[in-house]
Amino acid sequence: DGGITQSPKYLFRKEGQNVTLSCEQNLNHDAMYWYRQDPGQGLRLIYYSQIVNDFQKGDIAEGYSVSREKKESFPLTVTSAQKNPTAFYLCASSMGANYGYTFGSGTRLTVV
Amino acid sequence: GENVEQHPSTLSVQEGDSAVIKCTYSDSASNYFPWYKQELGKRPQLIIDIRSNVGEKKDQRIAVTLNKTAKHFSLHITETQPEDSAVYFCAARQNSGYSTLTFGKGTMLLVSP
Repeated sequence: DGGITQSPKYLFRKEGQNVTLSCEQNLNHDAMYWYRQDPGQGLRLIYYSQIVNDFQKGDIAEGYSVSREKKESFPLTVTSAQKNPTAFYLCASSMGANYGYTFGSGTRLTVV
Repeated sequence: GENVEQHPSTLSVQEGDSAVIKCTYSDSASNYFPWYKQELGKRPQLIIDIRSNVGEKKDQRIAVTLNKTAKHFSLHITETQPEDSAVYFCAARQNSGYSTLTFGKGTMLLVSP
């Protein structure tokens, strides 16, 4: 997966449950990102982190939480406060502000 | 913040024709413009990018042009092939501290044999 791995590939969540999506990279990239993709909506930024132990909210952070305890890892938790979580979630990393992103293969989350 | 508009949302061409996808951005401070290709169910992959100090960049059958005055940039694919069928996203990044990419909503390109 080009050095950035997302798991699981498919995830099913019951109403009221919190679930955590994993994102791990071995590219030695400082910056990591979470985007949500819905049909016809493009990619919308949830959270991003420029450096370990620091992260910022993106455009649609409500109902989500993240942590960045290690450079390699940037897990995303979808909480019960997120009312419409069914979507394709993409994690990405970057060498820095002047570089493009490398994306993971994505996690498709479905509420059942 | 930045806003990126992308057109058209769908584009159908015959194999061998050219395809053009256009994007506009709102923030004149933006200085980095990548294009991503996403095949069905797969991750987006960077296919070409351009920085604001360059007006055009080519890589084999694909090219990107940038007009900073008009704040728009375009992706050009020549001699299209069925394997070019995918969703294409443009994006822009501001040159202000550390900024993230803002993406357009995507263009579904269908190349018919």
